[in-house]
Amino acid sequence: GQQLNQSPQSMFIQEGEDVSMNCTSSSIFNTWLWYKQEPGEGPVLLIALYKAGELTSNGRLTAQFGITRKDSFLNISASIPSDVGIYFCAGPDNAGNNRKLIWGLGTSLAVNP
Amino acid sequence: KAGVTQTPRYLIKTRGQQVTLSCSPISGHRSVSWYQQTPGQGLQFLFEYFSETQRNKGNFPGRFSGRQFSNSRSEMNVSTLELGDSALYLCASRGGNTDTQYFGPGTRLTVL
Repeated sequence: GQQLNQSPQSMFIQEGEDVSMNCTSSSIFNTWLWYKQEPGEGPVLLIALYKAGELTSNGRLTAQFGITRKDSFLNISASIPSDVGIYFCAGPDNAGNNRKLIWGLGTSLAVNP
Repeated sequence: KAGVTQTPRYLIKTRGQQVTLSCSPISGHRSVSWYQQTPGQGLQFLFEYFSETQRNKGNFPGRFSGRQFSNSRSEMNVSTLELGDSALYLCASRGGNTDTQYFGPGTRLTVL
């Protein structure tokens, strides 16, 4: 079945640094979703991408839909302590017509003030 | 619009008991999905309900069940609780013809 691989698994950075993480798949995705989860809370949608090559920003966050449709990238510029959390990528399962979301295992981000 | 709500937020049970968790989706959303999340793990898909029908199911034992009501509110039930069932249970709703899911805050279940 389809799987999403996220890297890196975890990151520990200094406040002010830029962050890059990515998500890859062995098969094509038509939509890429990026979520952030803070401790004890549910994931919150950050950015949704619908078109190959699409580059979308949400404040200091920028995500790109890879042109091969098998990967996506999330960048955070000038990180701040409140960026701490786990970042998940997700996309709809293309096997069948059930539109179940496939999830990566997440990138855990820690920011040192 | 109010977001997805889940009750209770925290729950402590003992092995062998059963538990029922509740989820109210965003108004107008007809799809509700349930996930189990354990420390260091991603989101493990349990099942999805749409218009009171189970549309998708993950690879969990039959002890895990769910249902959806006509107002789209959903419940999930876990019978004969095991220690390994301790987890954050997340509910997400989806509306229209979109893949984007919106999550509730989760129910933290601890099994002693």
